[in-house]
Amino acid sequence: AQSVTQPDIHITVSEGASLELRCNYSYGATPYLFWYVQSPGQGLQLLLKYFSGDTLVQGIKGFEAEFKRSQSSFNLRKPSVHWSDAAEYFCAVGSMEYGNKLVFGAGTILRVKS
Amino acid sequence: DAGVIQSPRHEVTEMGQEVTLRCKPISGHNSLFWYRQTMMRGLELLIYFNNNVPIDDSGMPEDRFSAKMPNASFSTLKIQPSEPRDSAVYFCASSFRGMGTEAFFGQGTRLTVV
Repeated sequence: AQSVTQPDIHITVSEGASLELRCNYSYGATPYLFWYVQSPGQGLQLLLKYFSGDTLVQGIKGFEAEFKRSQSSFNLRKPSVHWSDAAEYFCAVGSMEYGNKLVFGAGTILRVKS
Repeated sequence: DAGVIQSPRHEVTEMGQEVTLRCKPISGHNSLFWYRQTMMRGLELLIYFNNNVPIDDSGMPEDRFSAKMPNASFSTLKIQPSEPRDSAVYFCASSFRGMGTEAFFGQGTRLTVV
């Protein structure tokens, strides 16, 4: 079965500092991996996705993520965090073998201090 | 496209009443998902449809929950009778069923059962 682990429930970083949010997945087939962001009271917005090719993918708002098959990880990074990045971030895994349904991690709440 | 449209945005109902949540997916998408989000359980997939056919409803918590998709542009999630523990944010998402495609989320319906 698919599963996604986001080990950090909360992370606080200073504005301008770099950010890395961790995501590990458990999956037997070829996964598609996603990062979504959710602001309070809003739906989920796609930041970036990986399904093949270059293992370093670029997304919106200056985010990037690297797929490491050997570590079953898909960590999200940003070199310099802005106060507007404060939100909850979700990693998700999907696969054609499972009808493209997405399984989400528990989420990481990012706080940005000025 | 206006994106995935959910209605109502907020619903407050009394225990025992029937509740119907509605979703209009993005035109051309052939997969539709219903998720429930709570603090305790995070984002849970309740049910998903491919080409209007329910594929996996293993996430539906009880027989009190039912979902339909009578056509490609409309889906409902019904709870009858509702209970306070059903209070949550319910999200509808749609995607085009293909390799590596992402799901697009609606704004959600915040349900409060008192």
